[in-house]
Amino acid sequence: NAGVTQTPKFQVLKTGQSMTLQCAQDMNHEYMSWYRQDPGMGLRLIHYSVGAGITDQGEVPNGYNVSRSTTEDFPLRLLSAAPSQTSVYFCASSSSESSYNEQFFGPGTRLTVL
Amino acid sequence: LAKTTQPISMDSYEGQEVNITCSHNNIATNDYITWYQQFPSQGPRFIIQGYKTKVTNEVASLFIPADRKSSTLSLPRVSLSDTAVYYCLVGDGLGGTYKYIFGTGTRLKVLA
Repeated sequence: NAGVTQTPKFQVLKTGQSMTLQCAQDMNHEYMSWYRQDPGMGLRLIHYSVGAGITDQGEVPNGYNVSRSTTEDFPLRLLSAAPSQTSVYFCASSSSESSYNEQFFGPGTRLTVL
Repeated sequence: LAKTTQPISMDSYEGQEVNITCSHNNIATNDYITWYQQFPSQGPRFIIQGYKTKVTNEVASLFIPADRKSSTLSLPRVSLSDTAVYYCLVGDGLGGTYKYIFGTGTRLKVLA
């Protein structure tokens, strides 16, 4: 199993550009989520999904869209990038939304918005 | 909202036992308490999880008092490679679905 994969690893955008961060998992996990981590800070939840077709907002959803058309994929879209979105983005998955289940994290995407 | 509070940072020396305490006053009845470790430039990884009393695995112990309003992660005999950020996590069962809320974490620095 590859676990949780994220692409790209690094990305530089100009203000106003849009892009999609890709996240995929091959563990048949129902629960997937996106976090951002600013330098020296903890992780903040952006959006999460408890299954295909179901998404919900986390702590900091503004400026981001998500969709979950399949169990495996959970892309994160930046509609109009802003310098404040410069951060490292982590995708995670677990077998269900229960706090009993371990979350598996991807390697992260480092995004810089100029 | 099941927020957590941890010390921002801790220093320790190699070979010592390190205890990191997390407060979670609003933990829900069904929530488990989970600790994650994060090295620089990596995603967090699971260390240990518990519901009540004491849990031990090959890397750590977790102590949870009866009221479950706090928990303590214990790392025995730390080494330099244990330098990392440690996060205490409880599920937020608000509204029937769960949001895993990470706090700011505790930055542990192990000194030689």
